[in-house]
Amino acid sequence: GAGVSQSPSNKVTEKGKDVELRCDPISGHTALYWYRQSLGQGLEFLIYFQGNSAPDKSGLPSDRFSAERTGGSVSTLTIQRTQQEDSAVYLCASSLSPGGYEQYFGPGTRLTVT
Amino acid sequence: RKEVEQDPGPFNVPEGATVAFNCTYSNSASQSFFWYRQDCRKEPKLLMSVYSSGNEDGRFTAQLNRASQYISLLIRDSKLSDSATYLCVVPRSGTYKYIFGTGTRLKVLA
Repeated sequence: GAGVSQSPSNKVTEKGKDVELRCDPISGHTALYWYRQSLGQGLEFLIYFQGNSAPDKSGLPSDRFSAERTGGSVSTLTIQRTQQEDSAVYLCASSLSPGGYEQYFGPGTRLTVT
Repeated sequence: RKEVEQDPGPFNVPEGATVAFNCTYSNSASQSFFWYRQDCRKEPKLLMSVYSSGNEDGRFTAQLNRASQYISLLIRDSKLSDSATYLCVVPRSGTYKYIFGTGTRLKVLA
């Protein structure tokens, strides 16, 4: 079956511009996670969605970051006024249910802020 | 103590060797454990899930030791293509969060 998809795969943007990253989870997966991974570093949790519940935004690094999930499926991560330190790979993952189930990752969006 | 700890390596082994990595976890209530493989500049890919004492899939064996709170990953007959970073992941019990180890780098040498 189809896995997690993300778009775009690569995004180069100028400092100060806004960007939108998209994640399409596996059909039927109610839990969706966004992570960030800088070069040579571990995964940094950003935000979590479960069904139609309010998301856990505790990992978002600043108020320039926001995310939404429409209809319990597709999610969009938006970064406003991008900074060079936002350059990283943004990974989306979904799982059947939260806590204890396997997570499946999308291929990521590589963001470069120049 | 970190919630999930791994030796970062690198482990450099010749082709055909057997290699094992350990991952220690701090929460004795943890019930499920995962090993992921991450290639350079790629996303983590699920390698094995461990829900009870262990799991085996071909050349890969994962063992859980609840008394000592660690899980291990054993790779037999290493291939060049096994070169990657292996991530240990433990869901935080009672929550939705997954705790990632920093990963162990494996390099299989010809």
